[in-house]
Parts: sequence; C-alpha cells; structure tokens
Amino acid sequence: DGGITQSPKYLFRKEGQNVTLSCEQNLNHDAMYWYRQDPGQGLRLIYYSQIVNDFQKGDIAEGYSVSREKKESFPLTVTSAQKNPTAFYLCASSTPTYEQYFGPGTRLTVT
Amino acid sequence: QKEVEQNSGPLSVPEGAIASLNCTYSDRGSQSFFWYRQYSGKSPELIMSIYSNGDKEDGRFTAQLNKASQYVSLLIRDSQPSDSATYLCAVNDSGAGSYQLTFGKGTKLSVIP
Repeated sequence: DGGITQSPKYLFRKEGQNVTLSCEQNLNHDAMYWYRQDPGQGLRLIYYSQIVNDFQKGDIAEGYSVSREKKESFPLTVTSAQKNPTAFYLCASSTPTYEQYFGPGTRLTVT
Repeated sequence: QKEVEQNSGPLSVPEGAIASLNCTYSDRGSQSFFWYRQYSGKSPELIMSIYSNGDKEDGRFTAQLNKASQYVSLLIRDSQPSDSATYLCAVNDSGAGSYQLTFGKGTKLSVIP
C-alpha cells in the first residue's frame, strides 16, 4: 500500500536534547512538508521541499532543521534552540495538483 | 499574509441533517481548494478537492466553489455521528512555483444522535 509513515508515534525528551522525527513516503511525490499543530491551532508550516537536495523555510523554521537526501525521506530535527517543542508534528507529501496527504503524526513531549 | 478563515464552531447538527461548513480565502490567484477531516488526536485526511467554480459531489459530500466571492463550502448530507470531527479548509498559494497550501484553523462539527 502507498502511503506516508512517521515514526515514532510518541516521543519523550528532556529539555536541551535534539531529536529527529522520521518521515518516509512511497507515493513517488516530489514535494514534502513538515507542519506543527498545537491544541486549538491550525497547521503551521515548518519546512518544505519540492525536490531532492533542496528545501525552504516555512513560517516557523527557527529551532528546526531538515534534510532531503532521498525522494522518499524528509527527516525533521527539533533542536534545543526550539523554545516550545512540545506539539503534534505532521509530515505530508503532495501531488502535482497540490493535494497533500498526511502521515499519522508524531506527538513530541519535551519536559 | 495569505489567510483562510473558517468559523471555529462548534457546529452542532442532528443526525440525518445537512451540515454546512464555510471558508473564505484572501489569495485571489488561488486555483485549488481542499477539505480535510481531522478526528481528535489523528492526522488530517483529504476528503474533497475542487478546482473550478460550481459544485462537486462525492457521496454524501458536496464542495461548492465561488472564486469571485473567494468562498468555498462543504455540505454533508445525512450527517452521521461518525462525521463528528474538525474540518479544515485549505487553499493553494498562488506564488510562482509554490506547492504550499494555507490551512484554516478548522470548524469543529458535532453530529448529535
């Protein structure tokens, strides 16, 4: 089955530690995205990539980093510079007609 | 700043009724419009795409688009308790070469048995 996988589903970290969230897709989509969702809030774009080895900052990129070495993979690192990292993180990929499909998400808790 | 506005709700409708969800957007150049359903604690799921003015029907769902008024809506006929969720409206960014979507904050729908 084609789809997007994210791992882990839940992640707990201590403040000051970097953490990497995994996102893999087998839909053969060129474009991939990372969003953050906080309770009662909409989706906020962190980073996106339209092609391998290229990515752009979204609205809230500070404290995050990404890489895009393979078409299928777009990992997100939440660094210790991110002031409020506890959130629901969503990865998506899109068709050429802009339809975005989401993975199941990773819920990160930093204490 | 491109904006997508939705009434946050909650919108409560009785089972079997028609639920009407509305969305307005600011980017006049947008050409692609989407509705997502998000159950509590889950990720958004694409349920409807619409690209031209008028109505598009898929089962119990109808999307309506009016580009002149910058307005898109979603009708859910014969609403079921399983339709209770938050519905997100999304609109493509018309900037050159951009594959970004701008999402509304969502309307929470509650279908009362």
